[in-house]
Amino acid sequence: AQSVTQLDSQVPVFEEAPVELRCNYSSSVSVYLFWYVQYPNQGLQLLLKYLSGSTLVESINGFEAEFNKSQTSFHLRKPSVHISDTAEYFCAVSAPNDYKLSFGAGTTVTVRA
Amino acid sequence: EAGVAQSPRYKIIEKRQSVAFWCNPISGHATLYWYQQILGQGPKLLIQFQNNGVVDDSQLPKDRFSAERLKGVDSTLKIQPAKLEDSAVYLCASSKGRDPEQFFGPGTRLTVL
Repeated sequence: AQSVTQLDSQVPVFEEAPVELRCNYSSSVSVYLFWYVQYPNQGLQLLLKYLSGSTLVESINGFEAEFNKSQTSFHLRKPSVHISDTAEYFCAVSAPNDYKLSFGAGTTVTVRA
Repeated sequence: EAGVAQSPRYKIIEKRQSVAFWCNPISGHATLYWYQQILGQGPKLLIQFQNNGVVDDSQLPKDRFSAERLKGVDSTLKIQPAKLEDSAVYLCASSKGRDPEQFFGPGTRLTVL
């Protein structure tokens, strides 16, 4: 079975500042890794995913995450945040053989002007 | 392409009453998931269907929860009787048969009084 720990429950940040959301996972097998974003009263939207290949993955809106197998981490970063990035962010893991997602508890990002 | 549809969006019931949620996945998606998201936590998988068969229902409280996916398309999740601790957002997700990426609906927010 897989599990995920998101190390920060709340991250306040000023507009145009960088942000990093930390995610560590535990698994006895190889994994797929995901970051989902949830805006208020909406479902989850996929932000980015690591399935294989390059360990650095990027989203279309400026986020990136790096898979680090030795540290079992998949931290999410953005060099300059906008007010519209205010949301809850979930890290998730699945195994290649069954695709069931195990989620972390989430990190609430609040961007202030 | 239409996304995952869920209804109702909100439901308020008294404890011991019954309730049902409906989900229509993205057309052509063979795999359907139901998740429970309690406030302040990440989503937790309740049940996974592949076409109209159950793949995993190990986390479904079967004494009160039931789910079906007749004809391998839309699905219904039922709670009978509801308890206070069932208050949560119920998320439906779907994916192509052998694809790890899941697409989520907007969710149904259940409040049990």
